[in-house]
Amino acid sequence: EVQLAESGGGLVQPGGSLRLSCTASGFNLFNYEINWVRQAPGKGLEWVSYTSGSGPTVYYSDSVRGRFTLSKDNVKNSLFLQMNSLRADDTAVYYCTRGDYGAGPGGLWGQGTMVAVSS
Amino acid sequence: EIVLTQSPATLSLSPGDRATLSCRASQSVRVYLAWYQQKPGQAPRLLIYDASNRAPGIPARFIGSGSGTDFTLTISSLEPEDFAVYYCQQRSDWPPFTFGQGTKLDIK
Repeated sequence: EVQLAESGGGLVQPGGSLRLSCTASGFNLFNYEINWVRQAPGKGLEWVSYTSGSGPTVYYSDSVRGRFTLSKDNVKNSLFLQMNSLRADDTAVYYCTRGDYGAGPGGLWGQGTMVAVSS
Repeated sequence: EIVLTQSPATLSLSPGDRATLSCRASQSVRVYLAWYQQKPGQAPRLLIYDASNRAPGIPARFIGSGSGTDFTLTISSLEPEDFAVYYCQQRSDWPPFTFGQGTKLDIK
């Protein structure tokens, strides 16, 4: 079955770190553009990060640039979002999504993983 | 950064009604606009890409139209499962990819 699965969320104190994973099943993750999108509790959708798949291109939103870093593991068919210096306003469900129709979020989304930043 | 403004914030209709949701961009996004549906506790679901193309498996009652700065998602006859939150999103000028704030479609 073709799917994306996020993991690695949890409760962390302000200033702490987490590493989220996005693992693909049924397809090669690196043949696609992949985005991370987050949703704070009761709020709308916010784009976080983009990678071009097999290429080196990576972009971040202004709100996370300098604190979040994307990395890849071809063997595990996974992407990782290293999140450092976490703040309360990073609290959200984090989704990875495949860009099926050009750049940007697309037709395949994971189920999301919850990140809560609180003391 | 392109700002997308959706209206109305909430739309109260009954099954069988026609729903018209609007998304206005702060500058032209050409046809590079998508629509998503999201139900509580679920990931967003892509309905329409590039303004008017239905994603695979999306029923024909979902119709996207528009170009430039003004876009519309029409649901021709509401089914009970259509009551949800709808978001528009642009990929014309990025990064960043931006979303509208959402329209909640609820049962009257």
